[in-house]
Amino acid sequence: SALTQPASVSGSPGQSITISCTGASSDVGTYNLVSWYQQHPGKAPKVMIYEGSKRPSGVSNRFSGSKSGNTASLTISGLQAEDEADYYCCSYAGSNIVVFGGGTKLTVL
Amino acid sequence: QVQLQESGPGLVKPSETLSLTCTVSGDSISNYFWSWIRQPPGKGLEWIGFIYYSGSTDYNPSLKSRVTISVDTSNNQFSLKLSSVTAADTAVYYCARRPVYGGSYFFDYWGQGTLVTVSS
Repeated sequence: SALTQPASVSGSPGQSITISCTGASSDVGTYNLVSWYQQHPGKAPKVMIYEGSKRPSGVSNRFSGSKSGNTASLTISGLQAEDEADYYCCSYAGSNIVVFGGGTKLTVL
Repeated sequence: QVQLQESGPGLVKPSETLSLTCTVSGDSISNYFWSWIRQPPGKGLEWIGFIYYSGSTDYNPSLKSRVTISVDTSNNQFSLKLSSVTAADTAVYYCARRPVYGGSYFFDYWGQGTLVTVSS
């Protein structure tokens, strides 16, 4: 089943925010294979974090990922207006299957 | 630069089969896994399935009975067929690339997406 994310989070420019992604022992809890995607309105998703905490080339080091138990987290530090978007987590769930979270809308106040 | 482009009908009738093609440019389709992912209007992402250039596939269990993904290496394309569609299958359909190495269950390149509406 889908991973659980908060529907929305918000923060002011310069602040830090964290988006959680709660799964189960069969996915997030067992595999450190969570990825995070940023999606602006009308655009395709863009990978921001993969394998839990790795950043693709070109992604700002303001974005970081971590995991504790069955919950993965995406932290964005030094919030900027351009960070306002929807964010989705995705985890490997065994047997060559992946599952996405329901998405979180980030508002920069 | 790798580019993916979805193509296919934007309108499909209920009970019929949705068919889409993703054309890959800038790299060989033989070096990676490829995937279809969809997003109903205003909702979240749903993984549909993977295919490797060899033709090996993996599908979302909730869609497996209706989904077929195939690959055409000669044209650097892969395709999606979803049968017996209903209004619930209305979504933006994305094709995406998945790297090939041990922990590579993520998507590094995406197409722009194509909206498919199921309606009579």
